[in-house]
Amino acid sequence: QQQVKQSPQSLIVQKGGISIINCAYENTAFDYFPWYQQFPGKGPALLIAIRPDVSEKKEGRFTISFNKSAKQFSLHIMDSQPGDSATYFCAAKNGGADGLTFGKGTHLIIQP
Amino acid sequence: KAGVTQTPRYLIKTRGQQVTLSCSPISGHRSVSWYQQTPGQGLQFLFEYFSETQRNKGNFPGRFSGRQFSNSRSEMNVSTLELGDSALYLCASSDQGDNSPLHFGNGTRLTVT
Repeated sequence: QQQVKQSPQSLIVQKGGISIINCAYENTAFDYFPWYQQFPGKGPALLIAIRPDVSEKKEGRFTISFNKSAKQFSLHIMDSQPGDSATYFCAAKNGGADGLTFGKGTHLIIQP
Repeated sequence: KAGVTQTPRYLIKTRGQQVTLSCSPISGHRSVSWYQQTPGQGLQFLFEYFSETQRNKGNFPGRFSGRQFSNSRSEMNVSTLELGDSALYLCASSDQGDNSPLHFGNGTRLTVT
């Protein structure tokens, strides 16, 4: 069963803090793991992505950590800002087969 | 480059009718995918087209269909609409498909009454 489980469902972080969102997957054939950010009224926008041959990838304030043996990956947002308040989705894909399998999303609120 | 464009933005249809949604991908992108987003089920993959051929299909009934034209523009059709089809329908494009970055449009909000 292709499934990606995301937690927490909602998260409140103080400005300047670290936001952490976790995802776990079951299908070991997944080989591409992107994170998307979605604002109300907009489509999801690609934030950062990782492949299983890498344990960590950093782009600016956003870092993906990947644990292949545990079949888990997470998004860390450093120095969180009010403008980061959005819904975040993790996803996974198996090469050319099927489309992206998304987690259920995390509603992140950064309090000023 | 212009982003992915979806039309119309909003649509209200009656149960039993059919609807066609349109998507123009980013220039040069050959792969177009469609996703359904609902509060209950989240984002779910409908199908992907590459060079006018359906390459992948999600777990949706045959009432959901699509096509891609030679200029990579795509349409999605839903026949015999049901109340449960109310959702945000998102189109995404990428240059090759596979694991190329996927760029989403802002969606068409379909309401079935």
